[in-house]
Amino acid sequence: DVKVTQSSRYLVKRTGEKVFLECVQDMDHENMFWYRQDPGLGLRLIYFSYDVKMKEKGDIPEGYSVSREKKERFSLILESASTNQTSMYLCASRTGTGGYEQYFGPGTRLTVT
Amino acid sequence: GQNIDQPTEMTATEGAIVQINCTYQTSGFNGLFWYQQHAGEAPTFLSYNVLDGLEEKGRFSSFLSRSKGYSYLLLKELQMKDSASYLCAVAGGGNKLTFGTGTQLKVEL
Repeated sequence: DVKVTQSSRYLVKRTGEKVFLECVQDMDHENMFWYRQDPGLGLRLIYFSYDVKMKEKGDIPEGYSVSREKKERFSLILESASTNQTSMYLCASRTGTGGYEQYFGPGTRLTVT
Repeated sequence: GQNIDQPTEMTATEGAIVQINCTYQTSGFNGLFWYQQHAGEAPTFLSYNVLDGLEEKGRFSSFLSRSKGYSYLLLKELQMKDSASYLCAVAGGGNKLTFGTGTQLKVEL
């Protein structure tokens, strides 16, 4: 079974703090994704990566950056957290060949106060 | 761009059948996914359609009409544990999935 893990289930940070969210997958997947999920807005893509050190902006990249130094790990960085970044953050991965099915991690509920 | 529409909420009775519709307009099409998401949990894969027609998997079936930009998820013999959000997602060009906002299904006795 594919396993995608995220570093924290719940996180509380203060406005202006730098926040790191970590995601690790164990299936040697090429592609990794970061989403945020908000009521009424659904899942929105922040950034994705199709290879080590490669990244592409999703639909809502503003205020975020990412890092992919190793194939299995994809980090989401909030350089200066703001209250409007309070959300559920979901990481996903998929293989680079074959189907488009994405496998999701359990999510990190981030609250910025 | 991508636009995906699905109803916000639905209610059905245990043991019944429910159909959740999804319509989409996308630039590029590489398939349509349905995911199930229980409250506070990650989405889990239910089905994938890339060709027109019906795909059946146990109590769940999914249908696709590419010419109409339309899909539905059919859930039979509803159980209380089927109460969840059901997400329709389209694979467009490139690596990305675009998700609808989800349909919250409530199964009642």
